[in-house]
Amino acid sequence: QQQVRQSPQSLTVWEGETAILNCSYENSAFDYFPWYQQFPGEGPALLIAIRSVSDKKEDGGFTIFFNKREKNLSLHIKDSQPGDSATYFCAASEGTNAYKVIFGKGTHLHVLP
Amino acid sequence: DAGVTQTPRHEVAEKGQTIILKCEPVSGHNDLFWYRQTKIQGLELLSYFRSKSLMEDGGAFKDRFKAEMLNSSFSTLKIQPTEPKDSAVYLCASSFGTQGRYFGPGTRLTVL
Repeated sequence: QQQVRQSPQSLTVWEGETAILNCSYENSAFDYFPWYQQFPGEGPALLIAIRSVSDKKEDGGFTIFFNKREKNLSLHIKDSQPGDSATYFCAASEGTNAYKVIFGKGTHLHVLP
Repeated sequence: DAGVTQTPRHEVAEKGQTIILKCEPVSGHNDLFWYRQTKIQGLELLSYFRSKSLMEDGGAFKDRFKAEMLNSSFSTLKIQPTEPKDSAVYLCASSFGTQGRYFGPGTRLTVL
């Protein structure tokens, strides 16, 4: 049973466009949603995170939009650059079991120059 | 500040061998995690330590996988005996409290 689902599996955009990566979850008790960015040959790195009390979080060109009622969220990458080409993982955890972070299977983003 | 260090970066083993992967967490972090990453299964939690105590031993991975944390700055993951299906990237991560995970670069294991 996959508790955190990501779509699309792969996404290609042109430089300068906004990339939109989607994530949905099943457990309504999840209250913390980090996104990780992974480049080939490296481990994932925390990019941005949101708590369920908020519906939007911005950091530089990255924005998370969160819909608690629909149990989904999206990561928007504004003005995408070739250097943003990476795999992006959506993850979720519940406050009382914060160590049990459930990861989605990732979206491979390709930004073409 | 040094990040999470993992050695070796690459390991090739014959089926049936014993291999030991090493991890040094970020100094001051009290949580340490071992994950396995494959394209099909994604990131799977193998073990979780809090302040050197084993809190989660990964269920299905128990029989051939053993993680240890001898001190707060060093952990090992032993796979014994290795099987070809163990070929994957093994990631170590550390964190402090409920902050995000800091991942190491991983060890790519190939079992022939």
